[in-house]
Amino acid sequence: NAGVTQTPKFQVLKTGQSMTLQCAQDMNHEYMSWYRQDPGMGLRLIHYSVGAGITDQGEVPNGYNVSRSTTEDFPLRLLSAAPSQTSVYFCASSYSTQRNNEQFFGPGTRLTVL
Amino acid sequence: AQRVTQPEKLLSVFKGAPVELKCNYSYSGSPELFWYVQYSRQRLQLLLRHISRESIKGFTADLNKGETSFHLKKPFAQEEDSAMYYCALRGNSGGSNYKLTFGKGTLLTVNP
Repeated sequence: NAGVTQTPKFQVLKTGQSMTLQCAQDMNHEYMSWYRQDPGMGLRLIHYSVGAGITDQGEVPNGYNVSRSTTEDFPLRLLSAAPSQTSVYFCASSYSTQRNNEQFFGPGTRLTVL
Repeated sequence: AQRVTQPEKLLSVFKGAPVELKCNYSYSGSPELFWYVQYSRQRLQLLLRHISRESIKGFTADLNKGETSFHLKKPFAQEEDSAMYYCALRGNSGGSNYKLTFGKGTLLTVNP
């Protein structure tokens, strides 16, 4: 198993550009989520999905869109990038939403918006 | 609302010294508590969870419901323990049943 994979590893955007951060998992996990990691702020939940076709907002959803057309993939879209979105983005997944299920994290995407 | 507080941004100890990373939480029900670790430029990985009552890499953490704390302890720190440590909480009701809330993290440095 590759686990949770994310592409790209690094990305530089100009303000106003759009892009999609890819996340995939090969563990047949129901639950997937996106976090951003900022210095002094910890990890904050952007969006999450409890299964294919179901998504919901987390703590900081503004400026981001998600979709979950398959169990494996959970892309994160930035529609019009802003410097405030400069961050490290982590995707995570877990087998189910039941208690005691570990969340597995991807390696992260480091995004810089100029 | 659920909240996790890690009061120390930075913690520096010498090799062989005891280490305690503090975590306090706010939640009205019975939460699950976790410690995640992130070594330099690596992904987050689960270190331990309160429900397992296990010791991983010499670390232990006890859930104290009276003090709403879940402090991480190790009696003798090693240089390879240097990392960012995050305490996280998952609720047990309704919409919070699977979302993790993270603290802001504590960067542990173990000096030789």
